[in-house]
Amino acid sequence: NAGVTQTPKFQVLKTGQSMTLQCAQDMNHNSMYWYRQDPGMGLRLIYYSASEGTTDKGEVPNGYNVSRLNKREFSLRLESAAPSQTSVYFCASRRGGAFETQYFGPGTRLLVL
Amino acid sequence: EDKVVQSPLSLVVHEGDTVTLNCSYEVTNFRSLLWYKQEKKAPTFLFMLTSSGIEKKSGRLSSILDKKELFSILNITATQTGDSAIYLCAVEAGSNYKLTFGKGTLLTVNP
Repeated sequence: NAGVTQTPKFQVLKTGQSMTLQCAQDMNHNSMYWYRQDPGMGLRLIYYSASEGTTDKGEVPNGYNVSRLNKREFSLRLESAAPSQTSVYFCASRRGGAFETQYFGPGTRLLVL
Repeated sequence: EDKVVQSPLSLVVHEGDTVTLNCSYEVTNFRSLLWYKQEKKAPTFLFMLTSSGIEKKSGRLSSILDKKELFSILNITATQTGDSAIYLCAVEAGSNYKLTFGKGTLLTVNP
């Protein structure tokens, strides 16, 4: 099992460009999450999908959109990138129900110039 | 708004020292508190705590939760350089089991 995979690993964008971060999990988990991590800020939830077909905003959703393509895949789109979106992005998944943990992907480092 | 506060934010110790990391929280509809270790890449799971007063232990690491006072501690005994990392505390709350993270404690263990 690969667990949670993310592509790309690293990306440089110019202000105003768009891109999609991809995330996939092979653990048959129901819930998936997108976080961003900035220095000294911990992880902040951008969007999540509690189950296939549903998505909800997290703490910092502005400037982002998501798609839960199927049970395995959850993508994060930046329509018009801004320097404030320079960050490390982590995807996570969780089986669902009580007493389960979130499993994290390796992260995507994004630099917006 | 859910809130998780970790202290200290950074800590430098020598190998062999014992450290205690703190995490306090204010959340609605608490479900569990989790500790993660992050070494330059993805956070890796350490402990999940749901009940007060029951210590979870794994090798030199241990953790306990106090649901009355709304805090948890993570202890690391006989620290090693490999313990150098960011330690993240997160609280799971609500019907969708969302995690709210603290800012983390950066632990540096010098030889």
